[in-house]
Amino acid sequence: GEDVEQSLFLSVREGDSSVINCTYTDSSSTYLYWYKQEPGAGLQLLTYIFSNMDMKQDQRLTVLLNKKDKHLSLRIADTQTGDSAIYFCAESIKPGTYKYIFGTGTRLKVLA
Amino acid sequence: DAMVIQNPRYQVTQFGKPVTLSCSQTLNHNVMYWYQQKSSQAPKLLFHYYDKDFNNEADTPDNFQSRRPNTSFCFLDIRSPGLGDAAMYLCATSRAHYNEQFFGPGTRLTVL
Repeated sequence: GEDVEQSLFLSVREGDSSVINCTYTDSSSTYLYWYKQEPGAGLQLLTYIFSNMDMKQDQRLTVLLNKKDKHLSLRIADTQTGDSAIYFCAESIKPGTYKYIFGTGTRLKVLA
Repeated sequence: DAMVIQNPRYQVTQFGKPVTLSCSQTLNHNVMYWYQQKSSQAPKLLFHYYDKDFNNEADTPDNFQSRRPNTSFCFLDIRSPGLGDAAMYLCATSRAHYNEQFFGPGTRLTVL
């Protein structure tokens, strides 16, 4: 199957950590991505992880991948008001298919 | 800066009146994509071009067509827009054999 699921909403206080979760069903996924979408804008690639990795850190962002459970998470440290946006995870099934399966998106609201 | 550009950012059309959305890229990427994104939903792939080869998604309505006259430009034509076609339309590009997609800012289409 090709379903990628995310919780719809997350609210955190400024300075706290945010954790956005994603579950996927296709075990043949090669790359998994996190995109950020601000209101009225396109998608901005934040980070990605290859399926043979279990963790990737990039400044305030930490991606964790549990292949056994098909679970992906994005942790944002020291969350700022500018991080308020919708976050989409996406999987690409195999190189060259040129197709992403996007998650349903998580709306992150950061409270000052 | 290399980028993906979409024009116009906002487009208003009348029910049944053909409309064309434009995408250009300076990244020299082989693959160009068109997505439709309705409010609070994940982007939905309509079709993509690999160089000149057109690849339509099975559930893309016939009302949606695309043209790619050269590497840099790709157009989305909606022959007879209905109210249900009001959405954000996102263009993206990627290099062949690399999965990472780069998105433009989107065109928001309103159908009156």
